[in-house]
Amino acid sequence: EVQLVQSGAEVKKPGESLRISCQGSGYSFPDYRITWVRQMPGKGLEWMGKIDPSDSYTNYSPSFQGHVTISADKSISTAYLQWSSLKASDTAMYYCARHDYGDYWGQGTLVTVSS
Amino acid sequence: DIQMTQSPSSLSASIGDRVTITCRAGHFISNYLAWYQQKPGKVPKVLIYAASTLQSGVPSRFSGSGSGTDFTLTISSLQPEDVATYYCQKYSSAPFTFGPGTKVEIQ
Repeated sequence: EVQLVQSGAEVKKPGESLRISCQGSGYSFPDYRITWVRQMPGKGLEWMGKIDPSDSYTNYSPSFQGHVTISADKSISTAYLQWSSLKASDTAMYYCARHDYGDYWGQGTLVTVSS
Repeated sequence: DIQMTQSPSSLSASIGDRVTITCRAGHFISNYLAWYQQKPGKVPKVLIYAASTLQSGVPSRFSGSGSGTDFTLTISSLQPEDVATYYCQKYSSAPFTFGPGTKVEIQ
């Protein structure tokens, strides 16, 4: 059974760093790109970027380029989304999804940034 | 970046009604178009990919059509469990932009 399991909810202060994870199982992790999607409270889905776990090649949305970093460790079937300096506006649910179109999704990681 | 638009932004229909949602891409995207359903408080779920291919396990009352720039998601007979927000997404080239969503309610 294909599964994407994300790390748990986080509460952080502005300016802090954070890395959240997405572990795949039930399939060959290097064979499918992983996408990250943001959903701010009460808002729609926003595509942030993707990574090819086989070679760690990434693409970012211009809206997120420079503010987040997507990485992956294929040896442990895990993709990551990280921030070096969080802002209050980063408060959102973050989803990982498999494939260019998300055929499987993680359960979501709620990130709350508040002073 | 290619922008995606959807119409209507919301709709209210009766059980058994045929419901149609349209999605338009700002530029040619061939058939690299997916449709998602997101129920309140739940994870999005893919319904259709490649514009018209039904994802395994999705009820056959859902169908997709279109190519190029104009696409349609149709629910042939609306059911109570179809109350959700529906999003289109293009994946022809990065960024894989989502449409703004269409909220479907029961009248």
